[in-house]
Amino acid sequence: DAKTTQPNSMESNEEEPVHLPCNHSTISGTDYIHWYRQLPSQGPEYVIHGLTSNVNNRMASLAIAEDRKSSTLILHRATLRDAAVYYCILNEGAGSYQLTFGKGTKLSVIP
Amino acid sequence: NAGVTQTPKFQVLKTGQSMTLQCAQDMNHEYMSWYRQDPGMGLRLIHYSVGAGITDQGEVPNGYNVSRSTTEDFPLRLLSAAPSQTSVYFCASSVAGATGELFFGEGSRLTVL
Repeated sequence: DAKTTQPNSMESNEEEPVHLPCNHSTISGTDYIHWYRQLPSQGPEYVIHGLTSNVNNRMASLAIAEDRKSSTLILHRATLRDAAVYYCILNEGAGSYQLTFGKGTKLSVIP
Repeated sequence: NAGVTQTPKFQVLKTGQSMTLQCAQDMNHEYMSWYRQDPGMGLRLIHYSVGAGITDQGEVPNGYNVSRSTTEDFPLRLLSAAPSQTSVYFCASSVAGATGELFFGEGSRLTVL
């Protein structure tokens, strides 16, 4: 799997939007961009994934740059429950059986 | 909904002992996998299975055995525990490999003395 680069940590105020960046300059044309998060003492939790177009779901939005070399996970209103480590992962798509987790971004939410 | 259930949640072993970490899912997922997470590192894939009777190695398979006799269960066996296997272990399942949404269990924290 191609490599991603994320900031080690970020802070956000509660009820404000959060933009979590991810760089993946060596992404290939068939790599999907996945985001997972891991709350303290829990297993990772799927957030969202996409290929080329921006994606929205009930948890977050994923904005993908036109050249696909970077993406941004957007949490529209941060809550205390959103404090977690967020992982940006590239996945080869069909036939892929492994997700390669990096160290992710630790998001702190300030009340 | 139970989802992915792992047992035990905590276990302490002595070097050389063997044990089995259990993983069960009730979502009829064909794909199941085991990851380990060490402090300061991301999750690393140990073994995975794409269906009953089919298993394959991941990134760090040494010292671990798996089998898949049913769709629901995917146990991870430590044959002779070593301190280097002290870690948190996560089981995950999905409909279609790593391409879609992976559902993770809550983890099993193993300490080998």
